[in-house]
Amino acid sequence: QQPVQSPQAVILREGEDAVINCSSSKALYSVHWYRQKHGEAPVFLMILLKGGEQKGHEKISASFNEKKQQSSLYLTASQLSYSGTYFCGTARGDAGNMLTFGGGTRLMVKP
Amino acid sequence: NAGVTQTPKFQVLKTGQSMTLQCAQDMNHEYMSWYRQDPGMGLRLIHYSVGAGITDQGEVPNGYNVSRSTTEDFPLRLLSAAPSQTSVYFCASNPLAQPYNEQFFGPGTRLTVL
Repeated sequence: QQPVQSPQAVILREGEDAVINCSSSKALYSVHWYRQKHGEAPVFLMILLKGGEQKGHEKISASFNEKKQQSSLYLTASQLSYSGTYFCGTARGDAGNMLTFGGGTRLMVKP
Repeated sequence: NAGVTQTPKFQVLKTGQSMTLQCAQDMNHEYMSWYRQDPGMGLRLIHYSVGAGITDQGEVPNGYNVSRSTTEDFPLRLLSAAPSQTSVYFCASNPLAQPYNEQFFGPGTRLTVL
């Protein structure tokens, strides 16, 4: 079942912060975050695993609440380059390659 | 390394036509997959492969076939194109050494079925 992302869209000014949420009704093994710019392929940002291990981007942080089956992506001091659509992908088993993606959150950062 | 490459970039088909979307990677990744992305939507898994000779279905496999004869190539075949298959198709790959690796996406093929 597809994870649910919120909000669907957000507009920021440069330097402002944003939080994007991803929740699932199923038990999760890992949550993956990707960013996609218009007309381009998705680009990897972050992986979060059960047990708290993280692997990913230097300037973007995220959390994974295993009990609630939720993950949040934190974008701090946003830059124009952060604009794009953010997708979370969830994996239910340690076959972490089989991802189910959410519908996306469109982020626009204005000067 | 070229990474993940896809051809063609754009394609227009008529209903009922068949075609093959090509995907290749030069990173020696075991895992390869095909997604489709409809306008304003997320990615949906069509088929995937964990190695040469092994393929399996994803969420939306109907109307598509795949094969994996080599590690490098993973073509997607549309058997009889329908307007509902109008979409952007992404191929992705990642190594299987660990269960939590980033997927590397190709640039996509934009397909329109009239």
